[in-house]
Amino acid sequence: GAVVSQHPSRVICKSGTSVKIECRSLDFQATTMFWYRQFPKQSLMLMATSNEGSKATYEQGVEKDKFLINHASLTLSTLTVTSAHPEDSSFYICSAGDSFQEKLFFGSGTQLSVL
Amino acid sequence: QKEVEQDPGPLSVPEGAIVSLNCTYSNSAFQYFMWYRQYSRKGPELLMYTYSSGNKEDGRFTAQVDKSSKYISLFIRDSQPSDSATYLCAMRDDYTGANSKLTFGKGITLSVRP
Repeated sequence: GAVVSQHPSRVICKSGTSVKIECRSLDFQATTMFWYRQFPKQSLMLMATSNEGSKATYEQGVEKDKFLINHASLTLSTLTVTSAHPEDSSFYICSAGDSFQEKLFFGSGTQLSVL
Repeated sequence: QKEVEQDPGPLSVPEGAIVSLNCTYSNSAFQYFMWYRQYSRKGPELLMYTYSSGNKEDGRFTAQVDKSSKYISLFIRDSQPSDSATYLCAMRDDYTGANSKLTFGKGITLSVRP
């Protein structure tokens, strides 16, 4: 299957700092990428849809100014958690669609811990 | 009623058992059905992908879709300890490339005892 690389896999930061997470499609071009959040023993919660060259579409209840998404190229989308607080601690996962294969593939996830 | 319901689990079986995982859904527009496997603190891995009703087999895994009953299943034969993970069903409606949103079940945690 197609490969989606997510980095970093784990980050620990102080409250008030900003954290950037990268998501790359390694062997295909992805005009659309998705960002999810997952709490322990819970399913994936879609946060936003990232569209190459345009603004992201956020799900209801997700703060746009808190979770900044940039999709500047066909292979890279970034999620920046601004002014992180302990309640932002979670597992963040990106996914990208390979239109040729009609399937959605996921990155390995980023565990964010805000102290 | 949630759009996708999945048996909550957890589920524990002995090695070699046949495992049946199920999801029901309410949106009759769903046409594409997937099963993902997720190991702890990892991203989901696509296991099975099916369109509309029918069966699909891949090694020890069989995916079954019954659109008339709005019911999908994943069967795992000869289960192995390495199959211990969380299994998520997912589905979407109209095909607009892989760029359409998925609706996920809550996931069920499977443990296969040696």
